[in-house]
Amino acid sequence: RKEVEQDPGPFNVPEGATVAFNCTYSNSASQSFFWYRQDCRKEPKLLMSVYSSGNEDGRFTAQLNRASQYISLLIRDSKLSDSATYLCVVNNAGGYNKLIFGAGTRLAVHP
Amino acid sequence: GAVVSQHPSWVICKSGTSVKIECRSLDFQATTMFWYRQFPKQSLMLMATSNEGSKATYEQGVEKDKFLINHASLTLSTLTVTSAHPEDSSFYICSARDMATNYGYTFGSGTRLTVV
Repeated sequence: RKEVEQDPGPFNVPEGATVAFNCTYSNSASQSFFWYRQDCRKEPKLLMSVYSSGNEDGRFTAQLNRASQYISLLIRDSKLSDSATYLCVVNNAGGYNKLIFGAGTRLAVHP
Repeated sequence: GAVVSQHPSWVICKSGTSVKIECRSLDFQATTMFWYRQFPKQSLMLMATSNEGSKATYEQGVEKDKFLINHASLTLSTLTVTSAHPEDSSFYICSARDMATNYGYTFGSGTRLTVV
């Protein structure tokens, strides 16, 4: 079983749509959680951290359910520029705080 | 914010040669750097954790004699792909965290390696 699992997509949505991505992780000792965005042939960039209380950044809302080991990302009012691959990332317990990446969910927003 | 400079951005080399990739933390000290590899349409896979002044810690299945990592200073880590073969063609990315300021993880811009 992969440590971080995501639906690979692609999700094809029109501009203005609301889209949700889900992610599960296997290590219950995981400490920190993130969503990263990766554009084609580029490095990943931090979109937002994910907290148990849920957090929002503009059109983006992230949720964490530790009991279910489940993370979500909601994007409202999708823009063309949101088209990218969204990576669910977990920081595992351990000495070096390694980041473990999910395979990513591809989003394509069309006019 | 924290910046990690990675060079080269892309490289094409002949099979059997070695390629060195550099990552520098420009405005912070990185006691630990992480090296990832990403094949097309796959996620980033951690190859090794590079520690300043000590041996790197390799993930299971990664050949330490093939992927040589050196972290000689607090701002520089290098990955050398030795005797490269076409199957080593991939996107290699480094990452570091500024522990002093607790910045998030910062990634280099990646190196696209093509072995012909």
